[in-house]
Amino acid sequence: GDSVTQMEGPVTLSEEAFLTINCTYTATGYPSLFWYVQYPGEGLQLLLKATKADDKGSNKGFEATYRKETTSFHLEKGSVQVSDSAVYFCALSKMAGANSKLTFGKGITLSVRP
Amino acid sequence: GAVVSQHPSWVICKSGTSVKIECRSLDFQATTMFWYRQFPKQSLMLMATSNEGSKATYEQGVEKDKFLINHASLTLSTLTVTSAHPEDSSFYICSARDLSGRAVEQYFGPGTRLTVT
Repeated sequence: GDSVTQMEGPVTLSEEAFLTINCTYTATGYPSLFWYVQYPGEGLQLLLKATKADDKGSNKGFEATYRKETTSFHLEKGSVQVSDSAVYFCALSKMAGANSKLTFGKGITLSVRP
Repeated sequence: GAVVSQHPSWVICKSGTSVKIECRSLDFQATTMFWYRQFPKQSLMLMATSNEGSKATYEQGVEKDKFLINHASLTLSTLTVTSAHPEDSSFYICSARDLSGRAVEQYFGPGTRLTVT
């Protein structure tokens, strides 16, 4: 079945450091790929998405490129802030109709210290 | 836009009782809502897919008689945990898809923390 694998965490960085969170996937066909963020005490929010190979999703300084050849969707940010501290989930969804489901990775906790 | 609310945000109940959790799409209509369960420091596990006006579709291993789902309108789905036991203690999250079907993304509620004593 479909699956998403995220790098092990947690990750702790200093403010303004470069961030990379790895995500790889296994799926048949051509899934859409997502990064969701969960801030402390809140629900998941869509951070960015890409729907086809070579697409780059970007939002709030975060970027991720859909790489079909390596089945990856790594999340990057050039300079993290304390406010970026949260749990980040990589996910995929098949374009299989109205009930298309999200398959999530395990999530990784990012802590950014001042 | 695309706000999903859940009520209550946390609930404590005694073993053997039932508890109902509501999920509402506040500013859009959702033909499809999803219910997830999240254990501490783990990912979200899809429990069931709820379609307005029809029976929910449960994932393998999820007891449909224990986790009753009702999706009576385009803005409301409910999850009832029946005869709750301590092992049902978890964080329950719902999500909804916009009726317009612009994309496959889902909008998530803030979650409900259930503790069964």
